[in-house]
Amino acid sequence: DVKVTQSSRYLVKRTGEKVFLECVQDMDHENMFWYRQDPGLGLRLIYFSYDVKMKEKGDIPEGYSVSREKKERFSLILESASTNQTSMYLCASSFVAGGSGTGELFFGEGSRLTVL
Amino acid sequence: AQSVTQLDSQVPVFEEAPVELRCNYSSSVSVYLFWYVQYPNQGLQLLLKYLSGSTLVKSINGFEAEFNKSQTSFHLRKPSVHISDTAEYFCAVSDRGGYQKVTFGTGTKLQVIP
Repeated sequence: DVKVTQSSRYLVKRTGEKVFLECVQDMDHENMFWYRQDPGLGLRLIYFSYDVKMKEKGDIPEGYSVSREKKERFSLILESASTNQTSMYLCASSFVAGGSGTGELFFGEGSRLTVL
Repeated sequence: AQSVTQLDSQVPVFEEAPVELRCNYSSSVSVYLFWYVQYPNQGLQLLLKYLSGSTLVKSINGFEAEFNKSQTSFHLRKPSVHISDTAEYFCAVSDRGGYQKVTFGTGTKLQVIP
């Protein structure tokens, strides 16, 4: 089974702190994604990566950056956390497999971040 | 660009009653269609998907969805719900090519009442 592991289930940070959210997948997937989930807004894409060291902005990239130094690991960084970044963050991965992938996503358990 | 609309944010239904969760999408290209389920305090997991072929797809726990190209819909149905079906359900679409970026609807909370 595919396993996507997010390093922290719950975090509490203060305004202005730098926050790292780590995600690791064990199925050699090419694509990795960071979503933010808020009540009534569904899942919104922050950033995605289709290869090592490659990244693309999603729909709401402001205030976030990402890093993908190894294929299995995709990190989300909040350079200076703000209260409006309090949310559930979901990491996901998918395979491309020479173009036969379907976009089916495999999700981690989520990281609930509270910024005070 | 593509978008997904789930008009019902919450759907209460009595146990053993049927349910339909509605999903409409718009896209300028061909898409794959998905339903994901999220149980409390968990990540999302795939419930069922339409890739090609038969327009009616089924899950192992009794849900089914039908792809209707003319109405650009992918509604989710179950003839008899159980308490354990209480969860939030998300409809999603992905491009058939490119990076296969996935777009989600805003979700529907299904509340099964005993």
